[in-house]
Amino acid sequence: GNSVTQMEGPVTLSEEAFLTINCTYTATGYPSLFWYVQYPGEGLQLLLKATKADDKGSNKGFEATYRKETTSFHLEKGSVQVSDSAVYFCALSDPNYDKIIFGKGTRLHILP
Amino acid sequence: EAGVAQSPRYKIIEKRQSVAFWCNPISGHATLYWYQQILGQGPKLLIQFQNNGVVDDSQLPKDRFSAERLKGVDSTLKIQPAKLEDSAVYLCASSLKAGGGIRPKFFGPGTRLTVL
Repeated sequence: GNSVTQMEGPVTLSEEAFLTINCTYTATGYPSLFWYVQYPGEGLQLLLKATKADDKGSNKGFEATYRKETTSFHLEKGSVQVSDSAVYFCALSDPNYDKIIFGKGTRLHILP
Repeated sequence: EAGVAQSPRYKIIEKRQSVAFWCNPISGHATLYWYQQILGQGPKLLIQFQNNGVVDDSQLPKDRFSAERLKGVDSTLKIQPAKLEDSAVYLCASSLKAGGGIRPKFFGPGTRLTVL
């Protein structure tokens, strides 16, 4: 079945450091891929998405590229800020269905 | 634009008691979802409504969980009786309509349930 595996947290970085959160997936067909973010006390928000191979999703300085050959969708940001502290979820969705399957989440702490 | 509203935000009950959660989606959103997020895990879909009809409830433990969306707007999720393993955050989400999995879903802040 479809599944998402992302790196365990927590991840602690200093402000302005480079961020990578790894995500790999297992899916039949051609899923859409997402990163969601959950800030403290708030609901899940869609951060970025990619719907086909080699697509790059980007938002708020974050980027992720849909790599079909490695079944990966790693999240990157060149210079993190304290305000990026949150839990990040990688997710996929089969285009024929409306069900989103989430990874376990990675908690990110950015130190000033 | 108002977001997805949920209440209560927190609930503590003893096992075997009953509990109900309420969700009011964004105005005009036909599709409503309930997710269960156990600590340390990603959200898991429990049930999906399209207007007032159920589209997918394959992962809803129907012996104890029930949900309704009678007028196609707000929704309630009930657990009766609760078990310890039901302790989780219950998230409600809505989208304009279903289809393709890529339509934006807007999540509420969630209800944190603790079963003692």
